[in-house]
Amino acid sequence: NAGVMQNPRHLVRRRGQEARLRCSPMKGHSHVYWYRQLPEEGLKFMVYLQKENIIDESGMPKERFSAEFPKEGPSILRIQQVVRGDSAAYFCASSPPSLAGAYTQYFGPGTRLTVL
Amino acid sequence: GENVEQHPSTLSVQEGDSAVIKCTYSDSASNYFPWYKQELGKRPQLIIDIRSNVGEKKDQRIAVTLNKTAKHFSLHITETQPEDSAVYFCAASISGYSTLTFGKGTMLLVSP
Repeated sequence: NAGVMQNPRHLVRRRGQEARLRCSPMKGHSHVYWYRQLPEEGLKFMVYLQKENIIDESGMPKERFSAEFPKEGPSILRIQQVVRGDSAAYFCASSPPSLAGAYTQYFGPGTRLTVL
Repeated sequence: GENVEQHPSTLSVQEGDSAVIKCTYSDSASNYFPWYKQELGKRPQLIIDIRSNVGEKKDQRIAVTLNKTAKHFSLHITETQPEDSAVYFCAASISGYSTLTFGKGTMLLVSP
């Protein structure tokens, strides 16, 4: 059973360009979460999605950032008109449905975004 | 919203010693507390977790304790080894609302 997959692993963009980050959850997992990690800091929640639904986007900036998890294919985190402050590691996590209510999350290897 | 505080930010121990990392949380509704280990440039990996219906959980050299009244939980690593060196993150989650709130991490250095 392959783990959570993310691509690309490294992404370099110039200011004003768009960044598209992809996440394929573990097989059987229907919940996807995106987190951002700045250097020497913890992980900050951005958005929580299920197939075709955004459940919670309270941690995502209102402008320039969007996320989707279509019926088919990976989840996409899209950052438009990137700025230097967007440089960070972006981690995706997935979890299975859980009757217990709290879900164990498994992380992907991350995408390290550098904005020049 | 939930707020998780983690201490210390760095911890240096000699191989074979024990290491303890402590976290406090603010929301009494939180009931799931995982711990992640992150090596440099790698993904966070779940090492142990605890739910609020138990006070302690062990897995070989790793244990986690939870005090719901005081709203704090701790990670205990015994007989530390150099390969335990990494950044450790605690997190908290509210049942039915599964996003994780993380602490800022503890860099553990185990010297041979």
